[in-house]
Amino acid sequence: QTVVTQEPSFSVSPGGTVTLTCGLGSGSVSTSYYPSWYQQTPGQAPRTLIYNTNTRSSGVPDRFSGSILGNKAALTITGAQADDESNYFCVLYMGGGIWVFGGGTKLTVL
Amino acid sequence: EVQLVESGGGLVKPGGSLRLSCAASGFAFSNAWMSWVRQAPGKGLEWVGRIKSKTDGGTTDYAAPVKGRFTISRDDSQNTMYLQVNSLKTEDTAMYYCSTVRGSNLQYFQHWGQGTLVTVSS
Repeated sequence: QTVVTQEPSFSVSPGGTVTLTCGLGSGSVSTSYYPSWYQQTPGQAPRTLIYNTNTRSSGVPDRFSGSILGNKAALTITGAQADDESNYFCVLYMGGGIWVFGGGTKLTVL
Repeated sequence: EVQLVESGGGLVKPGGSLRLSCAASGFAFSNAWMSWVRQAPGKGLEWVGRIKSKTDGGTTDYAAPVKGRFTISRDDSQNTMYLQVNSLKTEDTAMYYCSTVRGSNLQYFQHWGQGTLVTVSS
C-alpha cells in the first residue's frame, strides 16, 4: 500500500512564502512520478495548479511554483494572498496506470 | 470551453448499485483519457480509475479498493463516460468527480467536473 505524505496543515502570513511538500512513505519522489498539485476550497471541485513537477496550468498565477526539494515534491506559494487559503493535494503517478493522492494540506493565511 | 457534468448519484443501500455518468463537451472526447476521483465527506481526494481513449486501446485501470466492484466505460458517440458501481459499501460514500487525464509524459488530471454525490446507507 503506497502512502503519499503531506503536511496536514500549514499557516502563512499574507505576503509570505510557504512551501508544501509531497513525499513517499518509503522512497524518494522524483520527476518520474510526474507530481501534480491541486487546490480545492470547501464545496468546490479541485483546480489544477501544477503538473509534471513544475509546469503551471493555464491561468495559474506565477506565485505558485513546483519543484523537487530533496526527496519530496514541493509546492511553493510566494506572496501568499487571502484567497490562497484552501486545501492543497498532490498526486503521484505510480506507473501501470495507477495514481495515489496525498492526504492534503489545509493552508491557512493569517 | 471544456465542460464535464456528472450525474447519477444518490442514496443507495449497502450492496446496491448505481451508474454514474460524466457528460463532456468543448473538446475531442473520443481522443481523451478520462478518470474518476472521489472524495469522502471531510476527507481527501482518492483516485478511483481511468479509461484510455479507444485509439490508445480503451483500457481501464482501477484503485485497489474498487477493483472488481467498479467498472469504467465510455460511449464516444454520446461524449459520455460511465462509472458502474456495484456491491456498494458505506465507505464508498463520497462525491465522485470526473476529470480529463493528460497521459503519456504528463500523467495529470487536467479538467474537472463539479461532482455527483453517492451516499451508501441503510
